[in-house]
Amino acid sequence: GEDVEQSLFLSVREGDSSVINCTYTDSSSTYLYWYKQEPGAGLQLLTYIFSNMDMKQDQRLTVLLNKKDKHLSLRIADTQTGDSAIYFCAEEDSSYKLIFGSGTRLLVRP
Amino acid sequence: NAGVTQTPKFRVLKTGQSMTLLCAQDMNHEYMYWYRQDPGMGLRLIHYSVGEGTTAKGEVPDGYNVSRLKKQNFLLGLESAAPSQTSVYFCASSQDRGIYNEQFFGPGTRLTVL
Repeated sequence: GEDVEQSLFLSVREGDSSVINCTYTDSSSTYLYWYKQEPGAGLQLLTYIFSNMDMKQDQRLTVLLNKKDKHLSLRIADTQTGDSAIYFCAEEDSSYKLIFGSGTRLLVRP
Repeated sequence: NAGVTQTPKFRVLKTGQSMTLLCAQDMNHEYMYWYRQDPGMGLRLIHYSVGEGTTAKGEVPDGYNVSRLKKQNFLLGLESAAPSQTSVYFCASSQDRGIYNEQFFGPGTRLTVL
């Protein structure tokens, strides 16, 4: 079945760039997603990328998609303490449901 | 708009007790979902609904039942709670098939089963 894998933890200094990586298995996913979860809250859609794109940029966020390797990454430029959260990668299965990774906890050190 | 709301926010149950978690959304969304979140395991789909009066099993449905009698509400029931059901439960909703599948999440219910 579908599986989405992420590393569990990333620590960066404020002002540095953060790169969160994800691998997925379902090559038929039309869209791939990044969701953000702040402490004590539900998930919120951060950004998404259409499967026929290689890159999508949205202000400080850059999403890179390598379909051949089924690899997705999220780069946050000039990381701030407010970016500290858990970031989830997600793919869509054939019935429109989202399959989430286990989440990467980003800690931004002052 | 309140978005997606969940009640209760916290609950402690004893093994064998039953309870119902309520999810409500005011966005007129067709699709609703119940997930559980456990440390290091991400979100796992319990049950979902593609419209009023419909429900379907997700990845981890055992021990749970759901009902969608009204479009805006999605109820998750535990008939006989077990310690393995200690988790944080999230409800979400989304439009029917659109350009992309943005799910809107509630704030979660933290359930402890002793």
